[in-house]
Amino acid sequence: QKEVEQNSGPLSVPEGAIASLNCTYSDRGSQSFFWYRQYSGKSPELIMFIYSNGDKEDGRFTAQLNKASQYVSLLIRDSQPSDSATYLCAWEGYGGSQGNLIFGKGTKLSVKP
Amino acid sequence: SQTIHQWPATLVQPVGSPLSLECTVEGTSNPNLYWYRQAAGRGLQLLFYSVGIGQISSEVPQNLSASRPQDRQFILSSKKLLLSDSGFYLCAGTTGGNYGYTFGSGTRLTVV
Repeated sequence: QKEVEQNSGPLSVPEGAIASLNCTYSDRGSQSFFWYRQYSGKSPELIMFIYSNGDKEDGRFTAQLNKASQYVSLLIRDSQPSDSATYLCAWEGYGGSQGNLIFGKGTKLSVKP
Repeated sequence: SQTIHQWPATLVQPVGSPLSLECTVEGTSNPNLYWYRQAAGRGLQLLFYSVGIGQISSEVPQNLSASRPQDRQFILSSKKLLLSDSGFYLCAGTTGGNYGYTFGSGTRLTVV
């Protein structure tokens, strides 16, 4: 069973702090990883994707991928109350499932003013 | 850029009634299209995906079906709804180039 594991939270951080969200995956063949943000009652929106080992930065967001350890993480610097949402990590299937994303259940983040 | 249109936004249906949810795509040709369901407090469950007109793959056996009559149209149907069909239904499409999915705004279905 190909799975993505996330701590469901809730994760609570004060405004201005760094929020760290983690995700582990079961299949070493995974190549592409994605982070989505989902506000309550809304659909997910893509915020980051990463394919290579190491860090990828986009504004206040940094995605980190470690294929040897099979984990991917998302750091949010200078967290704002507007960052309060559920964050979903996903990886792309391959072979016959190429293009299909497998999602974790999400981590709920709460940023306190 | 790709835009996914879904309607209706909310739907309340009695048990045993039929269902038809439609998704249309703007801005991309020949996208892969997906139907997901998100039950309350749970993750995204892939229901169906389609790589082209008339091509449907089912991930979870259930009383739902999907069709793709046109390149940019994807329909989710049921002949008789169950209480367990309640959830947030999301249509998604690929943007191409391994950049993940674009999601539609979703339909919140409550079966009563």
